[in-house]
Amino acid sequence: GESVGLHLPTLSVQEGDNSIINCAYSNSASDYFIWYKQESGKGPQFIIDIRSNMDKRQGQRVTVLLNKTVKHLSLQIAATQPGDSAVYFCAETLPGDYKLSFGAGTTVTVRA
Amino acid sequence: DAMVIQNPRYQVTQFGKPVTLSCSQTLNHNVMYWYQQKSSQAPKLLFHYYDKDFNNEADTPDNFQSRRPNTSFCFLDIRSPGLGDAAMYLCATSRVRNTEAFFGQGTRLTVV
Repeated sequence: GESVGLHLPTLSVQEGDNSIINCAYSNSASDYFIWYKQESGKGPQFIIDIRSNMDKRQGQRVTVLLNKTVKHLSLQIAATQPGDSAVYFCAETLPGDYKLSFGAGTTVTVRA
Repeated sequence: DAMVIQNPRYQVTQFGKPVTLSCSQTLNHNVMYWYQQKSSQAPKLLFHYYDKDFNNEADTPDNFQSRRPNTSFCFLDIRSPGLGDAAMYLCATSRVRNTEAFFGQGTRLTVV
C-alpha cells in the first residue's frame, strides 16, 4: 500500500488567509519529498520539494516543513488566492528509487 | 512551452479494443513514467523506463504494456481495455532518480 497519506481530505480557506496542508508518511527511510498541485483535468504541477537533510524550505508564497521525528510533512501557502484552489498531493521516494509514491490528496477550496 | 506532451487529451475506446496513448518530452530526461489516476484518487505508478530499461510495478496488470523507441517518446498500450481501465493516464519524466518529476497534461480514457 501507499506509505504516504493521512490528511484532511478537504480544506476550505478564506481568500487572503494562510493555508496549511498536512501529510504523514510511514517509511522513515524516505529521503525526498515533493508537493504537487493538480487542477481539475490537468496533470500534477510541481510546487516545492525537500530532502530529508532539511527541515524547511521556502519558495514563492509556499513553505514546506519536514518533521522526521513524527514523519510529518506540511505545505504552507501564504495569502491564499482563488488560483490556489486545487488538489494537493505529497509524494515521497526512497533512497536510490525512481518511484514517487503519492498520498491521497487534499482538496483546497478558496472562498472569496 | 509544454515539456511533456501527451496525445490525445481525450480518448474514447470500445471495450476490448486495443488503444495506444502517446507521450513525448523535450527535456531529454532519462526517466519516463506512466501513472494511472482514477477519479478522486492519487496517481498510481504503472511502470517506468530508465533509458531503455523497463521496470514494471508488481501490481500492474498484464493488459498494460509500454514501449520507448527513443529518449523522446514513450507509449502506453492497453491490449484489451475494460470498463475499469477508464482513468486519467499521466506521463512524467525526470532527469535521474530522486529528482522532480515533470508531468504531462494527461489523457482521459473513456471505455464504452
